[in-house]
Amino acid sequence: RKEVEQDPGPFNVPEGATVAFNCTYSNSASQSFFWYRQDCRKEPKLLMSVYSSGNEDGRFTAQLNRASQYISLLIRDSKLSDSATYLCVVNNARSNYQLIWGAGTKLIIKP
Amino acid sequence: IAGITQAPTSQILAAGRRMTLRCTQDMRHNAMYWYRQDLGLGLRLIHYSNTAGTTGKGEVPDGYSVSRANTDDFPLTLASAVPSQTSVYFCASSDELSGSYNEQFFGPGTRLTVL
Repeated sequence: RKEVEQDPGPFNVPEGATVAFNCTYSNSASQSFFWYRQDCRKEPKLLMSVYSSGNEDGRFTAQLNRASQYISLLIRDSKLSDSATYLCVVNNARSNYQLIWGAGTKLIIKP
Repeated sequence: IAGITQAPTSQILAAGRRMTLRCTQDMRHNAMYWYRQDLGLGLRLIHYSNTAGTTGKGEVPDGYSVSRANTDDFPLTLASAVPSQTSVYFCASSDELSGSYNEQFFGPGTRLTVL
């Protein structure tokens, strides 16, 4: 089983719709959680950190469920520019707290 | 320089050749990292450095070596390239010693093909 698992997609979503992704992680001792965004053939960039209480940044909302060991990302009123691959990232409690990266969920927003 | 730069942008290399991928940051970050990204897999950590003068092994270190002589530079060397090292290589940095609690900033990547 992978330490961080994501549905690879692609999610094809019409502009203006709401879309949600989940990500599961295997190590219950993980302490830091992030969503990164990666555009095609570009480097990853931090979208948002994920806090225990949940957090929101404009149209984006991240939630953490420690009991079920999953992280979610909700995008409201999706824009064409939201098309990208979204990477779920968790720190590795077994290995000096280095980051473990999911393979990503591809999102395509259609006009 | 602004952020992290990597060189070369892309490279085609014959198997068995030695290759060094360069990475330079100007943000004075303590920690630096080398990842490889392959289709269908997440970024995998090759080596990391928490501070100048120290390095550590990541998830997939075999066939690679690094050095951290100063804060800014973190070169990755393939001593004798093999086709399985064909990948996109990203260098990253962060300003916390552990690297796991703060944002990691990435360079634009190096696309390496080993034939």
